[in-house]
Amino acid sequence: QVLLVESGGAGVQPGRSLRLSCAASGFTFSSYPMHWVRQAPGKGLEWVAAISYDGNNKYYAASVKGRFTVSRDNSKKTLYLQMDSLRLEDTAVYYCAREEAAAGFDHWGQGTLVTVSS
Amino acid sequence: SYEVTQPSSVSVSPGQTARITCSGDALPKKYAYWYQQKSGQAPVLVIYEDAKRPSGIPERFSGSSSGTMATLTISGAQVEDEADYYCYSTDSSGHHGVFGGGTKLTVL
Repeated sequence: QVLLVESGGAGVQPGRSLRLSCAASGFTFSSYPMHWVRQAPGKGLEWVAAISYDGNNKYYAASVKGRFTVSRDNSKKTLYLQMDSLRLEDTAVYYCAREEAAAGFDHWGQGTLVTVSS
Repeated sequence: SYEVTQPSSVSVSPGQTARITCSGDALPKKYAYWYQQKSGQAPVLVIYEDAKRPSGIPERFSGSSSGTMATLTISGAQVEDEADYYCYSTDSSGHHGVFGGGTKLTVL
């Protein structure tokens, strides 16, 4: 079955960096665009970033553009989110999600918590 | 930046029809997607491409879209449908996603 497992969440100070990973299994990872979505405590969902199936195209929300970098290693079936210059407002649960061709995010991971605090 | 707007809350009695709206300027040209999120859980897709229902989603969930508004309808809402519902779409470029603020559905 399709499984997405995020890792790498931690408590960090403002200005520091963190890299999240999302390990995929149960499907042909290299065929699917992937996304990162986050949810601040008690708040709604926020789309963060997307990457094409081959990694050649990347898109970011305005709130993270220039600070976050999405990437993937199809040989390792893993999606990444490099987060630099972290801010207090980046505190959230970060989910990775698979995009089924124009059919939405059909599978999500369980999320990993990032806490930015001084 | 582009936004889509939902009501913050909707409340119905069990068996009634719940309707949750989502408005956005790009919706005439971009699909709306609906996600259900129960407390402490990851979101689940309930409607895609405005009106299509994934396998495993009950038939009481339906979607429609007209002009700048998309609507999620839950016909005969049940207590287990209590959740937060999020509308999702993209901007006119199709490259940047956006979620609505979420609608808390209460069924009691």
